[in-house]
Amino acid sequence: RKEVEQDPGPFNVPEGATVAFNCTYSNSASQSFFWYRQDCRKEPKLLMSVYSSGNEDGRFTAQLNRASQYISLLIRDSKLSDSATYLCVVANYGGSQGNLIFGKGTKLSVKP
Amino acid sequence: ETGVTQTPRHLVMGMTNKKSLKCEQHLGHNAMYWYKQSAKKPLELMFVYNFKEQTENNSVPSRFSPECPNSSHLFLHLHTLQPEDSALYLCASSHTGVGTNYGYTFGSGTRLTVV
Repeated sequence: RKEVEQDPGPFNVPEGATVAFNCTYSNSASQSFFWYRQDCRKEPKLLMSVYSSGNEDGRFTAQLNRASQYISLLIRDSKLSDSATYLCVVANYGGSQGNLIFGKGTKLSVKP
Repeated sequence: ETGVTQTPRHLVMGMTNKKSLKCEQHLGHNAMYWYKQSAKKPLELMFVYNFKEQTENNSVPSRFSPECPNSSHLFLHLHTLQPEDSALYLCASSHTGVGTNYGYTFGSGTRLTVV
């Protein structure tokens, strides 16, 4: 089983749509969770951290279910500029300093 | 500009060449990382440096040799690479702190092509 699994997509949605991405992780001891965004041929950029109680940042809502080892990202009122690949990221802090494990990413394309 | 600067942005090298990738961070972070991103694969962690000490080598072939002279600079020395080593090489930095919720800041990457 892969450490972090995501639906690769692509998700093709119209502007204004609501879209949800899901992610599962295999290590129950994982301690921190993030969503990163990566534009084509660019570096990944931190979109938001994911907290156990769920958190919201404008149009973006992240949820974490530790029991099911499941993370989600909801984007409301999609904009053209939201088109990118969204990476689910899990941090395992062990003997070495924080090791981020990346999913392959889910590609989102928002159309006019 | 993210605060993490990588050079060069693009590199084409032959299999017998020796080259180095450079990364510099201006964020006051004390951990630095090299990641490899190949097409259709997730980012793969290569090396971790914490307070300029290497704390992780993720089974990377010896043709990749990292160097971290201080907490702000990180190099990846390349020699006798193979065509399958062609990828985007990303440097990242972060604060340290077990259990903290810090993400990483990435540089723009070096797109490497081995011919």
